[in-house]
Amino acid sequence: NAGVTQTPKFRILKIGQSMTLQCTQDMNHNYMYWYRQDPGMGLKLIYYSVGAGITDKGEVPNGYNVSRSTTEDFPLRLELAAPSQTSVYFCASSPTGVYDGYTFGSGTRLTVV
Amino acid sequence: DQQVKQNSPSLSVQEGRISILNCDYTNSMFDYFLWYKKYPAEGPTFLISISSIKDKNEDGRFTVFLNKSAKHLSLHIVPSQPGDSAVYFCAATSGAGSYQLTFGKGTKLSVIP
Repeated sequence: NAGVTQTPKFRILKIGQSMTLQCTQDMNHNYMYWYRQDPGMGLKLIYYSVGAGITDKGEVPNGYNVSRSTTEDFPLRLELAAPSQTSVYFCASSPTGVYDGYTFGSGTRLTVV
Repeated sequence: DQQVKQNSPSLSVQEGRISILNCDYTNSMFDYFLWYKKYPAEGPTFLISISSIKDKNEDGRFTVFLNKSAKHLSLHIVPSQPGDSAVYFCAATSGAGSYQLTFGKGTKLSVIP
């Protein structure tokens, strides 16, 4: 049972480039989330999804887009990368919402130079 | 404006002794609280939670205490073990209708053998 799988683990982007962070879960969880963690800070919610075809903005959505075409996958798209997007990105899932303990992926460390 | 505060960036404890990690919050709408543990290069893992209708919740060596009047919660680990060395995040949510956890900055616990 893989849980939540994120790829890639590391990436260096140049300013203005775009990329997609992949996230897949095999637990049939309805809820999925993208968080970012800046150095010395707590995690901040970027986007979330309550089911296939339904997504909504979190606290820090600017510069990102998401889609949820299947229950399993929740990719995060970065358009026109900026140094402020240098961070560690975590994808998470839960069965029914925030009261459940999330299952997190191992993260993607992104550096924009 | 930090709504969840973990004022101690780090804590060192001898193996076998009690570890007490503290968390304060400012948003009176928060009604559910969770603790996550994070090892380096891994995603956070859910540890224990507590609802605002309770003042204590236990799970093995881990106990969370909630003081609503003081807007304060604490995580007690007894006895502490070297494997408990990790960063501990406190998180909170206002529950119904909310899809967001608000995280503190974390406290790095070091358990010294």
